[in-house]
Amino acid sequence: GQNIDQPTEMTATEGAIVQINCTYQTSGFNGLFWYQQHAGEAPTFLSYNVLDGLEEKGRFSSFLSRSKGYSYLLLKELQMKDSASYLCAGTSGTYKYIFGTGTRLKVLA
Amino acid sequence: DGGITQSPKYLFRKEGQNVTLSCEQNLNHDAMYWYRQDPGQGLRLIYYSQIVNDFQKGDIAEGYSVSREKKESFPLTVTSAQKNPTAFYLCASSIGSGGEQFFGPGTRLTVL
Repeated sequence: GQNIDQPTEMTATEGAIVQINCTYQTSGFNGLFWYQQHAGEAPTFLSYNVLDGLEEKGRFSSFLSRSKGYSYLLLKELQMKDSASYLCAGTSGTYKYIFGTGTRLKVLA
Repeated sequence: DGGITQSPKYLFRKEGQNVTLSCEQNLNHDAMYWYRQDPGQGLRLIYYSQIVNDFQKGDIAEGYSVSREKKESFPLTVTSAQKNPTAFYLCASSIGSGGEQFFGPGTRLTVL
């Protein structure tokens, strides 16, 4: 079957580093997306991993291990505006994407 | 600027009424999608369309209908058969299969 798991909520302090994990149990996933969603707004694209390893984009990095069914999003130098939900989504290259429930991140001053 | 628009942002309807949510994109994307988002749940796929005049049911299509008469437009009708229609509805598009999805701002539907 296809299932994506991520923690429901995390809290971190401004300026710190936080890692949001995502695990999936599925066959056929060949790519993992991360999206950021502020409350009541549209998800916006952060990263896409199709190969194993780390992809770095400014303060945000994403890691994928396909053999372990595991991905994480790393946020450095946290800012208050990073308070949002972070959605992990898998794709098998078809038109169907499987989304996790999202991790609500609270950044405290 | 290219993007996806959804209207209205907030919509209120009485129980038993059908309602149509608008979604328009000028990104020249072939694929379009409708998702429903409820508190504490991930995005759930209602319908998707790979190309004009074609659409497929997603995981929770019951009580919903769509059309794709133009590449730019993919309206969603929430019918009276949908048992729990109050939710946040998101429209998205992508160039093709498996690629990055671009999302509209969403419509929050409340059925009274």
